[in-house]
Amino acid sequence: QQQVKQSPQSLIVQKGGIPIINCAYENTAFDYFPWYQQFPGKGPALLIAIRPDVSEKKEGRFTISFNKSAKQFSLHIMDSQPGDSATYFCAARGGQNFVFGPGTRLSVLP
Amino acid sequence: EAGVAQSPRYKIIEKRQSVAFWCNPISGHATLYWYQQILGQGPKLLIQFQNNGVVDDSQLPKDRFSAERLKGVDSTLKIQPAKLEDSAVYLCASSLSGVNTEAFFGQGTRLTVV
Repeated sequence: QQQVKQSPQSLIVQKGGIPIINCAYENTAFDYFPWYQQFPGKGPALLIAIRPDVSEKKEGRFTISFNKSAKQFSLHIMDSQPGDSATYFCAARGGQNFVFGPGTRLSVLP
Repeated sequence: EAGVAQSPRYKIIEKRQSVAFWCNPISGHATLYWYQQILGQGPKLLIQFQNNGVVDDSQLPKDRFSAERLKGVDSTLKIQPAKLEDSAVYLCASSLSGVNTEAFFGQGTRLTVV
């Protein structure tokens, strides 16, 4: 019940495309849902986050859509660029710690 | 604002040896986390501190792993003795206390056990 499922495992899009990464959870006690971006050799960096009382949040080219009833949330990257090529992790906060999904490796082709 | 500092960046040891990692969190962050990230997987929480007290160490292999956070600031994570399956990146993160506070990660220590 503490798991966060994430798909797809990897994703390849052309520059300008809109990659979508999906996550699902079971634990209704999760109360905060951040997305992290990780480049090789670096630690994860916070990208954008949402609370469950909000259905959508946009920051620049990044959008989180949140469906509380379905216990699902997704990340959309508008006008993707080669510099967006990285591994993306969804996470959920339960109590005082974070549970991470297994990650999606995104490649944006020039 | 300085980020989370970790050292060393890389470490190669033989199995059954011991190793220690150090973390200095962002100033003022009361909560400190140690995560293990195996290649191709998401980070897995090992231990969480609130100031110098342990909040959650349920996934810490206590027969070989130990961690401390003296004075509620810096923290060390130790493995003794190391096993091959301990090869991973060890990430330290810190956050402010309270709800809706995100965790900020260091660059991690890549451990290879041979």
